[in-house]
Amino acid sequence: KNEVEQSPQNLTAQEGEFITINCSYSVGISALHWLQQHPGGGIVSLFMLSSGKKKHGRLIATINIQEKHSSLHITASHPRDSAVYICAVRLIKAAGNKLTFGGGTRVLVKP
Amino acid sequence: GAVVSQHPSWVICKSGTSVKIECRSLDFQATTMFWYRQFPKQSLMLMATSNEGSKATYEQGVEKDKFLINHASLTLSTLTVTSAHPEDSSFYICSAATGGINNSPLHFGNGTRLTVT
Repeated sequence: KNEVEQSPQNLTAQEGEFITINCSYSVGISALHWLQQHPGGGIVSLFMLSSGKKKHGRLIATINIQEKHSSLHITASHPRDSAVYICAVRLIKAAGNKLTFGGGTRVLVKP
Repeated sequence: GAVVSQHPSWVICKSGTSVKIECRSLDFQATTMFWYRQFPKQSLMLMATSNEGSKATYEQGVEKDKFLINHASLTLSTLTVTSAHPEDSSFYICSAATGGINNSPLHFGNGTRLTVT
């Protein structure tokens, strides 16, 4: 069993819909990252969380440390949000900034 | 914001040749950089952690003699794929941390798509 599990693996939405991506992990972490990988391959770090909730524009990320679960929400989705969204955690047992990655969620937003 | 520049963005090489990929932190010093490999439709796989001024730390199963890493300065790390073979064809991407503490944000390069013919 992977230490980081994401769901769903694939998601198709109509423009304007609310999207939720989930990430569960099974070990103690010091931080959780949400990353966005564009079709060309480049990766952008969206959020780094250790507790609570963060919001940036139409994106909201939440984390529940007790339940070992995080969600990424996209409000009023747009075709430009189409990308792969990756959850990555920094394990407490890991040294430095080493990350463990989820399998990614491929999001397609149709106009 | 912090920028990581990776070069080249794509490269095609013949089997048996070596390819060098550069990863630069443009406006910050990165004591640690990470090299990842990604196969199509799969997630990132950490290959090695590059530490400035010391030997890189390789993940299990990654051949250190095949994937040479040099982190000679606080702004530059290089990955050299030696004696490349078609199975080395993949997407390679680096990341660097902006701070020296464990939970600093990470910034990624745009990746290098390597095709070995």
